[in-house]
Amino acid sequence: DSGVTQTPKHLITATGQRVTLRCSPRSGDLSVYWYQQSLDQGLQFLIQYYNGEERAKGNILERFSAQQFPDLHSELNLSSLELGDSALYFCASSVGDSGGPVSTQYFGPGTRLTVL
Amino acid sequence: GNSVTQMEGPVTLSEEAFLTINCTYTATGYPSLFWYVQYPGEGLQLLLKATKADDKGSNKGFEATYRKETTSFHLEKGSVQVSDSAVYFCALNTNAGKSTFGDGTTLTVKP
Repeated sequence: DSGVTQTPKHLITATGQRVTLRCSPRSGDLSVYWYQQSLDQGLQFLIQYYNGEERAKGNILERFSAQQFPDLHSELNLSSLELGDSALYFCASSVGDSGGPVSTQYFGPGTRLTVL
Repeated sequence: GNSVTQMEGPVTLSEEAFLTINCTYTATGYPSLFWYVQYPGEGLQLLLKATKADDKGSNKGFEATYRKETTSFHLEKGSVQVSDSAVYFCALNTNAGKSTFGDGTTLTVKP
């Protein structure tokens, strides 16, 4: 158990809908990262937050957004869902973000999103 | 930009065989390097890491050495077990905080 929790574990929805995925980082970790894992594109970094502020952006679509709250939990919002958004979404957390040992990421169990 | 290139899989070995999974990277600055393992139906787990050149990360019989001169971080294990069957990801972090993962290598170990 990494100490990172994600809810829900599974989510099934229809095209055009909007969903929210939630992540609670390990106690004491300030950074939260979001990743998408699909069969055809592998593991893609989406976005990182550090202590409430956006820190780095990867291949995140404009239909997707995220935020980190004062209690450090984070939410990933996916809107106007398409079939191709079906994937595993992972959250990870780390103590810091300045590189080196404090940037070691610990992953949650993931949320499996199925868009029908 | 940064990139990580992993040995293509799948890799199939017999129990007790020697394992090498190659990983090379390109990055600006001085990245930290990681190997993660993903067992079926689970999230990624940190396997080992190295944060500076010539560091050796090790865990559960796996080892990898940070080689700056060849920009490599190859994963090795002297004797694999069936329970090592999983997907292995090489990754790097830079001071800018961005993470880059390889495509993953699927390992199957047969009894």
